Parts: sequence; C-alpha cells; structure tokens
Amino acid sequence: GENVEQHPSTLSVQEGDSAVIKCTYSDSASNYFPWYKQELGKGPQLIIDIRSNVGEKKDQRIAVTLNKTAKHFSLHITETQPEDSAVYFCAARGTGTASKLTFGTGTRLQVTL
Amino acid sequence: DGGITQSPKYLFRKEGQNVTLSCEQNLNHDAMYWYRQDPGQGLRLIYYSQIVNDFQKGDIAEGYSVSREKKESFPLTVTSAQKNPTAFYLCASSFDRDQPQHFGDGTRLSIL
Repeated sequence: GENVEQHPSTLSVQEGDSAVIKCTYSDSASNYFPWYKQELGKGPQLIIDIRSNVGEKKDQRIAVTLNKTAKHFSLHITETQPEDSAVYFCAARGTGTASKLTFGTGTRLQVTL
Repeated sequence: DGGITQSPKYLFRKEGQNVTLSCEQNLNHDAMYWYRQDPGQGLRLIYYSQIVNDFQKGDIAEGYSVSREKKESFPLTVTSAQKNPTAFYLCASSFDRDQPQHFGDGTRLSIL
C-alpha cells in the first residue's frame, strides 16, 4: 500500500520568514495530494490540495509543489504569522475502487515573534 | 451553517464496555470516514462508507463497528474487543471518494 513520509517533525521559524514542509510517497499511481492544518483540540482543516496533472498551486501565502518523477510534494508558507502555528499533515491518495488517503505523521510549526 | 458535527467532545469508557461516537453531516456528502489519531502519528483509517447502507473496513477496523442507515449519519462503535481505545477519533465526509475530505472537530476517548 501507499506510504507517506513527512519531514521535519517540528519546525520553528521567525515571524515573516518562510516555512517549507516536505513529503514523499511510494505509490506512483497516487494522483491527489491534500494538505491539512490542525489546531489544538480541533479537526484537520484542508488548506490546499493539488492533483497529479498540475506541478504547482498557489493560494495567497500558501503554495504546494509536486514532483511526480521524484514522488515528493512540498508545502510552502511565506510571510509566516503567529496564527500559522499548528500541526500540518500531508496526504496522498491512490487510484482504484479502494483508493484512500494515507497521511504523513505531521509537522508541528511554531512561528515565533 | 453546513458542517460535520461530532459528539460528544470527550468520552470515557469503562473496561468491557462498548461506546458509540456520533458523526452527523448536513453537507449532502455521500462518502463518510472514521479516522483514529494517536500522538505523533498520522491519521489512520478505521472504516469508510461511500454510500448509504454500504461500508468497508479501513486499515485498523478490528475492535470497531459502524452503520450507515442514513446519508447524514455514520456512528462508530468502539467495542470491548478494542484493547487500546484511548485516542482522538475524527470523522470526515466528502461528496464522493474523489473529492476533498472535510473533518469534524473530533471526540477524545479515554479509559476509566
């Protein structure tokens, strides 16, 4: 089955700096890659996603890039703010009738003043 | 407001007891999912349902059961056969399996 690895597990940046979180996946047939933000005591919130026919997608300060050849995708947050502090999860979904999301183990992002 | 409602927010189970976690959505989504989240780990799929009256096991279904009698509801029962039930349980839904999943705010289950 699919295996998703996420790095780093923790990341601390100063306010205004950029943050990058990277994920690799094992199933070359995977075609959908969402990113979720989870605040303490809450459920994950979808912040951006990308499909395999696109190499990059941007939404204001957040962008995701996908390299299908290397089987990795990354989340980029620019001009970080304290409210960006949270745990971020990547996920990958394969194809087929039993396709399901496989999640990474999460990155705890801390934005310091 | 449309959304996914999980209840209760906190739940305590005694040894040998079954407990049921509620998940309701008013988004008109066909597909619904249950995940388990443990500290330092990603979300793991317990069960999912793509349509009413149908559901499939996920990666860690042992010790759990579900039903899908209504489109809006997908309750999860944690049975006494689940030996390590302490975790944060998350319900999600999507229009279909190819569309983005949206999550509720979870139920934290602990053992007394």
